[in-house]
Amino acid sequence: EVQLVESGGGLVQPGRSLRLSCAASGFAFGDYRMSWVRQAPGKGLQWVGFIRSKMYGGAPDYAASMRGRFSISREDSKNIAYLHMNSLEAEDTGVYYCARDTADDYMDVWGRGTPVTVSS
Amino acid sequence: SYVLTQPPSVSVAPGQTASITCGGDNIRSKSVHWYQQKAGQAPVVVVHDDSARPSGIPERFSGSNSGNTATLTISRVEAGDEADYYCQVWDSSSEHAVFAGGTKLTVL
Repeated sequence: EVQLVESGGGLVQPGRSLRLSCAASGFAFGDYRMSWVRQAPGKGLQWVGFIRSKMYGGAPDYAASMRGRFSISREDSKNIAYLHMNSLEAEDTGVYYCARDTADDYMDVWGRGTPVTVSS
Repeated sequence: SYVLTQPPSVSVAPGQTASITCGGDNIRSKSVHWYQQKAGQAPVVVVHDDSARPSGIPERFSGSNSGNTATLTISRVEAGDEADYYCQVWDSSSEHAVFAGGTKLTVL
């Protein structure tokens, strides 16, 4: 079964850092670009960024508002993608999803998400 | 960056047809993808590449794209279709994914 499972969310104080993980199974993880999408409470979906597959250079890219504080990496040997978040703000509160990108630039598999709350 | 616009809400009676629009500048030149998100769940793609349906998605879900508007059409609406629906495109100029704000579909 194709599956993505996020972990690492929780309550964190403003200004601190957090690393989220996305564990993949059931498919050739290394062949896919992986995206992170977040959703603030009661709000819509917001694309955070992605990391390309090694076949396409393996580089990440980010939404303009995320660049500088967020970074995405991957460890293909473990089938895991990461989202590193620094200098967290209250506005970063929400559910963070990882998703598998298709060659047609849509997300065909999603995890259940991991909640992040930034509060003192 | 590319901007997509959806109506915040659409209401429809069971058995009727719901149309959810997604507006963008010359959106017909892009491939539009639609996601359904039920309360407390992760999004699920229901239509991709304007009008293609993934396996397991009922034929009641269809899509079209023309001019400055793409449309998700749900025929014979059921109570279980009540959800938030989001359109998404790939902005080739920035090489980023773009989501619209979403439409809440209420089944009366």
